[in-house]
Amino acid sequence: AQSVAQPEDQVNVAEGNPLTVKCTYSVSGNPYLFWYVQYPNRGLQFLLKYITGDNLVKGSYGFEAEFNKSQTSFHLKKPSALVSDSALYFCAVGDSGTYKYIFGTGTRLKVLA
Amino acid sequence: GAVVSQHPSWVICKSGTSVKIECRSLDFQATTMFWYRQFPKQSLMLMATSNEGSKATYEQGVEKDKFLINHASLTLSTLTVTSAHPEDSSFYICSAPGMGTPDTGELFFGEGSRLTVL
Repeated sequence: AQSVAQPEDQVNVAEGNPLTVKCTYSVSGNPYLFWYVQYPNRGLQFLLKYITGDNLVKGSYGFEAEFNKSQTSFHLKKPSALVSDSALYFCAVGDSGTYKYIFGTGTRLKVLA
Repeated sequence: GAVVSQHPSWVICKSGTSVKIECRSLDFQATTMFWYRQFPKQSLMLMATSNEGSKATYEQGVEKDKFLINHASLTLSTLTVTSAHPEDSSFYICSAPGMGTPDTGELFFGEGSRLTVL
């Protein structure tokens, strides 16, 4: 069975510092991995995805994520955080055939000025 | 990029009434749409898969008579919460797979609809 874990409910980081939001997954076969961001009372917005290819994936708003097969991780990173990055971040895993993705419980990112 | 729109964004209703939420794909056709429910500070829970021209597929534990789904066209799916009660209060979100390159794997989400049942 597929599963995804986001071990941190909340991550606090100072503006200008690098940020990391963690995600680990468990799938059979090759995973499709995604990061989405949610602002208050809004739907999810796509940030980036890994399907195949380079392990380092670059996405929207300066975010990137590294696929690590041996550690079954797909951590989201950004070199320099902005206050406007404060939001709820979801990692998701699934396959393209059904689009029935499993979402993590979400990590709230707070960037402090 | 593909745009999915939900309406209404907010709805307040009395207990026992029914509420309809619409999900539209604005610039692409969606033969499949997904409906989720999100509780405060929790993840998205997939409720059902809406299939154009056929019956929706519900996830285990979701009452199909309570949450009626109709996918009457390639751009519109509706979720009707029937005989709503306070415990149905939640944030409901829809999504659709994007068109174009096959197997992009990407879902496009609506803005969500917050239902409050008094």
